[in-house]
Amino acid sequence: AQSVAQPEDQVKVAEGNPLTVKCTYSVSGNPYLFWYVQYPNRGLQFLLKYITGDNLVKGSYGFEAEFNKSQTSFHLKKPSALVSDSALYFCAVRVPTGGFKTIFGAGTRLFVKA
Amino acid sequence: DTGVSQNPRHKITKRGQNVTFRCDPISEHNRLYWYRQTLGQGPEFLTYFQNEAQLEKSRLLSDRFSAERPKGSFSTLEIQRTEQGDSAMYLCASSLGGQNQPQHFGDGTRLSIL
Repeated sequence: AQSVAQPEDQVKVAEGNPLTVKCTYSVSGNPYLFWYVQYPNRGLQFLLKYITGDNLVKGSYGFEAEFNKSQTSFHLKKPSALVSDSALYFCAVRVPTGGFKTIFGAGTRLFVKA
Repeated sequence: DTGVSQNPRHKITKRGQNVTFRCDPISEHNRLYWYRQTLGQGPEFLTYFQNEAQLEKSRLLSDRFSAERPKGSFSTLEIQRTEQGDSAMYLCASSLGGQNQPQHFGDGTRLSIL
């Protein structure tokens, strides 16, 4: 079965410190990978995607993600966290041979302390 | 703002009643998706449309659920004979064609079953 795992329910960092939110996946074929962010009572907002090419992908609001094919991981990173980055983050996978169905992880809540 | 619009934002109803939600996607997007999200979980795929054609439905979508996109523009999701387990946030998203395209989400309709 195809799946996406976000092993940490929550991540806590101090403002100004680097942050990492982890994601691993288990799918057949070469997937398209996405990160989304969700603020309270709002829908998800697209941050970045990996399709092919460079393993380091840059996205919105200073976020980036590192794709590692051998470890089937797609971790979200930011060099310097802001309090306003506090939100719920979702990793998502779409399999090219799987139609347009997207599989989402359970989410990781990020807390950034001032 | 020409993002994805969902109505109503909140719906409270008694068990056994029928409910209908509406989604207006971004106008140039030909793909439209419905998801269900419960507390502490990522969005679960329900169904998607390419223009007016419903191309895939999840096994989560029981016979009580039906979705339409009659003219390839707005979409409706109807739940008949609601049950307690239907309480959730129902999210709509739209995208351009192509599996590498990110989805743009509305703010959702929160359904509460009394």
